[in-house]
Amino acid sequence: DAKTTQPPSMDCAEGRAANLPCNHSTISGNEYVYWYRQIHSQGPQYIIHGLKNNETNEMASLIITEDRKSSTLILPHATLRDTAVYYCIVRVVGGNEKLTFGTGTRLTIIP
Amino acid sequence: DAGVIQSPRHEVTEMGQEVTLRCKPISGHDYLFWYRQTMMRGLELLIYFNNNVPIDDSGMPEDRFSAKMPNASFSTLKIQPSEPRDSAVYFCASKVGNQPQHFGDGTRLSIL
Repeated sequence: DAKTTQPPSMDCAEGRAANLPCNHSTISGNEYVYWYRQIHSQGPQYIIHGLKNNETNEMASLIITEDRKSSTLILPHATLRDTAVYYCIVRVVGGNEKLTFGTGTRLTIIP
Repeated sequence: DAGVIQSPRHEVTEMGQEVTLRCKPISGHDYLFWYRQTMMRGLELLIYFNNNVPIDDSGMPEDRFSAKMPNASFSTLKIQPSEPRDSAVYFCASKVGNQPQHFGDGTRLSIL
C-alpha cells in the first residue's frame, strides 16, 4: 500500500470548517483513500473513503485531487467532540485487508 | 446495534502469567482483526481472520502470541508467557465484505 504523509497536529476553532490534508503521491490506480479517527481512549472510527471522485456523508467530505496524489478531509462545522487523531490510509479494496495506520494528525478543536 | 465487544476492558497482571483477551465481532461480519497500539509503534495489525480462518498473521510478534477464532462470534488473543513489553492497548475490529472495519474500544493491558 502507498505511504501517506499528514501534518502532526492542527487546531481549528469550534464551528469552523476543519480541513485536514493528506499526501499520497505514490498512490496506485486501484488504491482507495480511507479516513479514520481515534478519539481518546476509544477504538478508531471509520469516517469516509473514496477512489477518485469527491465523497460526502453525514460526518465529512473527502476531496481528492485530480491526479490523486493528495486529498483533504473536511469537517464542515467542527465541534469539541471532533477533537481526535485523524488517520489517512491508502489501500486496495479486495486485496489484503490490512489497514496500515501512520502517525495521523492530532486535531484540536478550540472553543 | 451492538458493536464489537471486547473483554476485559482493563487487565493488570504479573509477567510470566497467561493473558487471554476476548472479542465478539458484530453479528454477520466475516472478517475479524486484532491490532495492538503502543506509543512507540502506533497502531499495528497483528492478525486477521476471514470466515474463522487466519489469513495474515505476519504481524504476530512471536510464538508467545496466539489467536483463535473457534466460531463466527468469538475470538481470543492469548499471550503466554506475558512480558512487560506486551503492555499496550489491544483492539479487535470486524467487517463484512468490502465494507469498512468497525473497532471495539480495546483492552488496556499492563504487565508488571
